[in-house]
Amino acid sequence: QQPVQSPQAVILREGEDAVINCSSSKALYSVHWYRQKHGEAPVFLMILLKGGEQKGHEKISASFNEKKQQSSLYLTASQLSYSGTYFCGTVTTAGTSYGKLTFGQGTILTVHP
Amino acid sequence: ETGVTQSPTHLIKTRGQQVTLRCSSQSGHNTVSWYQQALGQGPQFIFQYYREEENGRGNFPPRFSGLQFPNYSSELNVNALELDDSALYLCASSLAGPSNTQYFGPGTRLTVL
Repeated sequence: QQPVQSPQAVILREGEDAVINCSSSKALYSVHWYRQKHGEAPVFLMILLKGGEQKGHEKISASFNEKKQQSSLYLTASQLSYSGTYFCGTVTTAGTSYGKLTFGQGTILTVHP
Repeated sequence: ETGVTQSPTHLIKTRGQQVTLRCSSQSGHNTVSWYQQALGQGPQFIFQYYREEENGRGNFPPRFSGLQFPNYSSELNVNALELDDSALYLCASSLAGPSNTQYFGPGTRLTVL
């Protein structure tokens, strides 16, 4: 079962903030966030692990609520370069023998000048 | 440090044919995962290779097979191509384990006519 992302799309002006949510029906071991621009590979943004550890880019912030199996990605003071499709990928506790990522359907973020 | 590379960039095949896609992992990484991304969708996990063995598989039929070589590079083979196999095929390299970041290559765009 893939995680559910919300919203499906968001449009911002430069400098505005946005939050993208990712929710799973299964117990999660980790949540991985990626941004993908049209025709390009997904680019790693952040990984959040059960227990509170986070690894990622300094300018990106995110949270992981282990009780609710939810994660949120916070984009502040958006720039034109933030435009793209954001995916969350989840690793369930059942799959911790290896890193199978199950991706959400994506959130399309568009930043206008 | 060399990033993840894939070849070819684009490929056009006809239904029933067979195709081989290639992936070179990032320097120092020992695990390769393959994903299929249909237009407008998130990547779907095909399988993962670690130490030249398949280390997990998604919901894909046996006509999807792979190999990993001693230098950790990998191949994805698809037999008896179907129209629905048209997609972007992404490989991601990482260190083994569910808490490690997967870095994606640029992908191979496969079109089946």
